[in-house]
Amino acid sequence: KAGVTQTPRYLIKTRGQQVTLSCSPISGHRSVSWYQQTPGQGLQFLFEYFSETQRNKGNFPGRFSGRQFSNSRSEMNVSTLELGDSALYLCASSSGLASHEQYFGPGTRLTVT
Amino acid sequence: TQLLEQSPQFLSIQEGENLTVYCNSSSVFSSLQWYRQEPGEGPVLLVTVVTGGEVKKLKRLTFQFGDARKDSSLHITAAQPGDTGLYLCAGDQGNTPLVFGKGTRLSVIA
Repeated sequence: KAGVTQTPRYLIKTRGQQVTLSCSPISGHRSVSWYQQTPGQGLQFLFEYFSETQRNKGNFPGRFSGRQFSNSRSEMNVSTLELGDSALYLCASSSGLASHEQYFGPGTRLTVT
Repeated sequence: TQLLEQSPQFLSIQEGENLTVYCNSSSVFSSLQWYRQEPGEGPVLLVTVVTGGEVKKLKRLTFQFGDARKDSSLHITAAQPGDTGLYLCAGDQGNTPLVFGKGTRLSVIA
C-alpha cells in the first residue's frame, strides 16, 4: 500500500497570508488527523476528521481549519499567518476504528517570515 | 499540562551501549504506542502495548507497559547509529485524541 502523502513538502509564506496543506491517507483509511510539531511544544493535535466529519479538535485558534473529502483526502488551512505558525505540519491516517495507531506522512515544513 | 512525560530529553551514547528511555504519566491509558522519527520525516509506529505488564520485543528493542497502564519504557540493547532519532510515546484514552510526549532525542555515535 502507498503511504500517507503530503503536499507541498516545503512552504515559505509571509505574515498575514494564508496557506492550504493537503494530505492523502493510506487507501482504506477513513480517519485523518493533523498535528503541529515544534521544538518547544512537541507534537500538538490540531483536529481529526472521520468520514468527512470533524471528530475531535485541539486547542488551536479558529485561524486553523480543515476539511475532509469523500475520498478521505484532507486539507488544512491556516489564515492570517503569524510567525509562531512556523512548524512542521504532520498528517496521519488510521482506520478510525478501535485502534488509534497513526501512520504519518513526511510533513509539510511551513516557514512564516 | 503535559500528560506524558518522557525522560531523558536528550541522550548521546556510543555504539554498542545499552539504554532505557521512559514515558510516565499519572493517567491510565488503554494502550500506549511508541514511534521513532528521523530528521525530515514523520514518526513511524514501532509498537503498541495494550495489557498492563506486557513486554514486546522488536529485534534489539524491548518495550514494557507498566502494570497500572500509566507508564512505559523502551530498552535498546547494543545501540547502533541507525537507532538515532526522536522516540515518541503516545497514550490512547479511548475516544479522545492520542496524547504525545515531547520525545527523547537519541544520538548513537559510531
